Amino acid sequence: KQEVTQIPAALSVPEGENLVLNCSFTDSAIYNLQWFRQDPGKGLTSLLLIQSSQREQTSGRLNASLDKSSGRSTLYIAASQPGDSATYLCAVGYGGATNKLIFGTGTLLAVQP
Amino acid sequence: EAGVAQSPRYKIIEKRQSVAFWCNPISGHATLYWYQQILGQGPKLLIQFQNNGVVDDSQLPKDRFSAERLKGVDSTLKIQPAKLEDSAVYLCASRLATDTQYFGPGTRLTVL
Repeated sequence: KQEVTQIPAALSVPEGENLVLNCSFTDSAIYNLQWFRQDPGKGLTSLLLIQSSQREQTSGRLNASLDKSSGRSTLYIAASQPGDSATYLCAVGYGGATNKLIFGTGTLLAVQP
Repeated sequence: EAGVAQSPRYKIIEKRQSVAFWCNPISGHATLYWYQQILGQGPKLLIQFQNNGVVDDSQLPKDRFSAERLKGVDSTLKIQPAKLEDSAVYLCASRLATDTQYFGPGTRLTVL
């Protein structure tokens, strides 16, 4: 059974710092891996999607890496801003084209101005 | 492009009552998902539709939960009767051909 774990559960950093969020999964037979952002009272916004054949994806100040063999993914946020404050969720995709997701419990990020 | 719409945004009911949630996916998105997110946890898939057919409902508590997607467009998720442990945010998501799922704002259910 696939299990997805995110560490740390919460993180508080001063504005401008670079930071890394971690995600680990137990079964390496994944279809893809996605990072989402969730703001209070709102739905999830997809940030980055890494296919199982890829090693990393970048979007602006965000970079996500994937190491299937070790069951790990990291989300790197450069030059953090207060607007980055949110809960970050990683989700492992399985089931091929049906793309069902198993989510981690998230990391609550607070960026202090 | 309009996003995924959900209603109501909030609902408070007493245990053993029934409740229904509505979702309108992004136009043209054939795949629709319902997730349950309990406070402090990540979302958990309840049911997946492809057009108006069920692809996966293995984690749907079928003794009390039901869902339908008539005409392959909008969808309704129902709970009858509700239990205290059903208190959660119910998220709807839709997907076109790419792997990215687009989520609605969710319905926050409180069962007293």
